[in-house]
Amino acid sequence: DGGITQSPKYLFRKEGQNVTLSCEQNLNHDAMYWYRQDPGQGLRLIYYSQIVNDFQKGDIAEGYSVSREKKESFPLTVTSAQKNPTAFYLCASSYLTNEKLFFGSGTQLSVL
Amino acid sequence: EDKVVQSPLSLVVHEGDTVTLNCSYEVTNFRSLLWYKQEKKAPTFLFMLTSSGIEKKSGRLSSILDKKELFSILNITATQTGDSAVYLCAVEFVSSNTGKLIFGQGTTLQVKP
Repeated sequence: DGGITQSPKYLFRKEGQNVTLSCEQNLNHDAMYWYRQDPGQGLRLIYYSQIVNDFQKGDIAEGYSVSREKKESFPLTVTSAQKNPTAFYLCASSYLTNEKLFFGSGTQLSVL
Repeated sequence: EDKVVQSPLSLVVHEGDTVTLNCSYEVTNFRSLLWYKQEKKAPTFLFMLTSSGIEKKSGRLSSILDKKELFSILNITATQTGDSAVYLCAVEFVSSNTGKLIFGQGTTLQVKP
């Protein structure tokens, strides 16, 4: 079955530690996205990529980094520079940019 | 400032009730409005609206867009406990020659038996 797989489902980060969230899709979509969801707030865009080896900052990119070496994969690294990383992170993909996003099941990141 | 506002933020109803969720927006160069349902974790696509006054329907769910008054509504008739979820509205628009998508805060719907 085609879809988007995020891992892990739950992740704990220690102070000063970088952690990487995985996102893999087999939908043959060109565009991929990372969103952050906090309670009571809408989804906020961290980074997006419209094509392999290219990506753009979203509205809240500070403290995060991404790579897009393969069409299927768009990992997100939460760096130690992100001072408030506790949130639910959603990865998405779409055939055309910003149209009908397909979402993964998310990763809940918490700080120890 | 571009924004999308949903109301109400939360709603509790009983099975069989009809609910109306609202999404208003202020953006330049509007392209489309999308509705998603988020149960537990992964949001799933419901509707994409681009034209005013044309109702989109899927079973007990329907949605319509008013581009003059800048809002959309999502109706759910004969609600069931399985409709309990967060409903997200997102608006696609063009800014600085770049397509953007912004989400509202979401409406949390609880349907009681």
